[in-house]
Amino acid sequence: EPEVTQTPSHQVTQMGQEVILRCVPISNHLYFYWYRQILGQKVEFLVSFYNNEISEKSEIFDDQFSVERPDGSNFTLKIRSTKLEDSAMYFCASSEQGPTGELFFGEGSRLTVL
Amino acid sequence: AQSVTQPDIHITVSEGASLELRCNYSYGATPYLFWYVQSPGQGLQLLLKYFSGDTLVQGIKGFEAEFKRSQSSFNLRKPSVHWSDAAEYFCAVAIKAAGNKLTFGGGTRVLVKP
Repeated sequence: EPEVTQTPSHQVTQMGQEVILRCVPISNHLYFYWYRQILGQKVEFLVSFYNNEISEKSEIFDDQFSVERPDGSNFTLKIRSTKLEDSAMYFCASSEQGPTGELFFGEGSRLTVL
Repeated sequence: AQSVTQPDIHITVSEGASLELRCNYSYGATPYLFWYVQSPGQGLQLLLKYFSGDTLVQGIKGFEAEFKRSQSSFNLRKPSVHWSDAAEYFCAVAIKAAGNKLTFGGGTRVLVKP
């Protein structure tokens, strides 16, 4: 069964360092998302991406965040200068039909900022 | 802004007993409604969704949910839980007019006693 894969599963970084989280969405999907879940809190929307551009972003997704689909298969989330409060589980998701269809989530990348 | 509330943070249920998880949403229009499950160390898996039509929807793993417009609720039920149902359950809504994203509730952690 096709699945969304994310790497790394866990990354530890120092505050101020750049981090790139990688995702391989399901191959025929057109809509891509990043969500995050700070420990003990809700799953929060970060950004959605369609047709090679951001379609929506939340207030969390400030200038230190960026997304890219560099090669037609990967979908990356970059955090330029990590802060302690960026420590969270980051989930990538993809969908064939957008949010009103089924979103398929990856297993998440846990980011720990020290 | 749309919001999703899951009033129960934790629920403990005996194996074989019935389970009901509550979800209420706040929005003027009828949203698209979803239930996701997150097992330990796993990503989010879609259990079921409601878009329109029959207000009782069947999902995977023996789960069902009922949409009640008058109560702005979408409660998840299972007649007889199995130990493997121990997980965290998230209710989510998507509203096209409000943007291209899912909004999640805070989650309910289900513990299953033998």
